[in-house]
Amino acid sequence: QSALTQPASVSGSPGQSITISCTGTSSDIGAYNYVSWYYQHPAKAPQLLIYDVSKRPSAVSDRFSGSKSGNMASLTISGLQAEDEADYYCSSYTTSSSWVFGGGTKLTVL
Amino acid sequence: QVELQESGPGLVKPSETLSLTCTVSGNPITSYYWSWIRQPPGKGLEWIAYMYYSATTKYSPSLKSRVTISVDTSKNQLSLQLSSVTAADTAVYYCARYDRRSFDYWGQGILVTVSS
Repeated sequence: QSALTQPASVSGSPGQSITISCTGTSSDIGAYNYVSWYYQHPAKAPQLLIYDVSKRPSAVSDRFSGSKSGNMASLTISGLQAEDEADYYCSSYTTSSSWVFGGGTKLTVL
Repeated sequence: QVELQESGPGLVKPSETLSLTCTVSGNPITSYYWSWIRQPPGKGLEWIAYMYYSATTKYSPSLKSRVTISVDTSKNQLSLQLSSVTAADTAVYYCARYDRRSFDYWGQGILVTVSS
């Protein structure tokens, strides 16, 4: 199972919105609405941001939103803040009953 | 509050078996699925396996031949064994709770280096 494809890096200024894409195939993202997103600060464990494509755990800010179209999922962060600077990973359930992650995207807040 | 803590050797020799334990607190291990995920230094996340205590188990196709996970309900612990390790298995290993088709609680991770 190949990793999902994410841009290596994105950047934005405080207050702006950015979108991170996550491209898969008809065997993963395209097959189910089971896409999740995680953020990871340096030397820390990943933390769940989004599950089931667009649902947010109760503790996650509504500045974070997710969507999906075909074999591609997206994470949008609005009102960018300095503390949003982190690595972001997408993940999807697959038709092989396994999970696959993206390679990660480093978000820089300018 | 759910807490997960990985433990085990930080150094394993090539060709040997890596063995890790994850101790879960704040949640009966029988109530959820649990998973192992790893992250090579400077690289992305890789899902290894997940299981439910009553023996439902799924493994990554690429690691299936070398991986075994198990649950000790009496100790509320999840275990991972990875055999015939090479330098490519050097990574931070995380245990995580699997719920609502996502990994919602993670341990802090443990770095395991494969080297002679």
